[in-house]
Amino acid sequence: RKEVEQDPGPFNVPEGATVAFNCTYSNSASQSFFWYRQDCRKEPKLLMSVYSSGNEDGRFTAQLNRASQYISLLIRDSKLSDSATYLCVVTGSWGKLQFGAGTQVVVTP
Amino acid sequence: DAGVIQSPRHEVTEMGQEVTLRCKPISGHNSLFWYRQTMMRGLELLIYFNNNVPIDDSGMPEDRFSAKMPNASFSTLKIQPSEPRDSAVYFCASSSEDRATDTQYFGPGTRLTVL
Repeated sequence: RKEVEQDPGPFNVPEGATVAFNCTYSNSASQSFFWYRQDCRKEPKLLMSVYSSGNEDGRFTAQLNRASQYISLLIRDSKLSDSATYLCVVTGSWGKLQFGAGTQVVVTP
Repeated sequence: DAGVIQSPRHEVTEMGQEVTLRCKPISGHNSLFWYRQTMMRGLELLIYFNNNVPIDDSGMPEDRFSAKMPNASFSTLKIQPSEPRDSAVYFCASSSEDRATDTQYFGPGTRLTVL
């Protein structure tokens, strides 16, 4: 079983709509959680950290559910520029970051 | 501010050749990471350094891979001899923290093709 699992998508989202997706992780001891964004043929970039109480950054909301071991990302009022692959990142079994394979989001006009 | 700098951006080489990838971390960052990304395996951590010292190289695939960090502003990842299965995008990332689980900033990557 992979340490971090994501639905690869793609999630096709009309511009202005809301999209949400989850990521599950297997290491119950994980302490750090992030969402990174990766555009096609570019490097991953930090989108936001995920805190226990949940956090919001503009149109983006991240939630952490420790009991069920998943984190979620919600994007409101989707923009064409939100089209990207979103990587879920958590602390792995060996104290290092484990990256999920990513969820592709395609925002359409 | 300059981000993480990697060179070359693209490398095409033939099987058996030596390949050297270079990375300059963000100034002041004391942790440096080398990752490899492929479609099949996603993003994998190869090795990370803290204060120029290799802390964990358990992700290095085999002895053909080696990495050095002679000073705080420069690191290399070398593959000798290279094989077609080494074809991937290699990212370098740096962090201002000491732990491997803190926010990391990635360079633009080196796209390696081994023929």
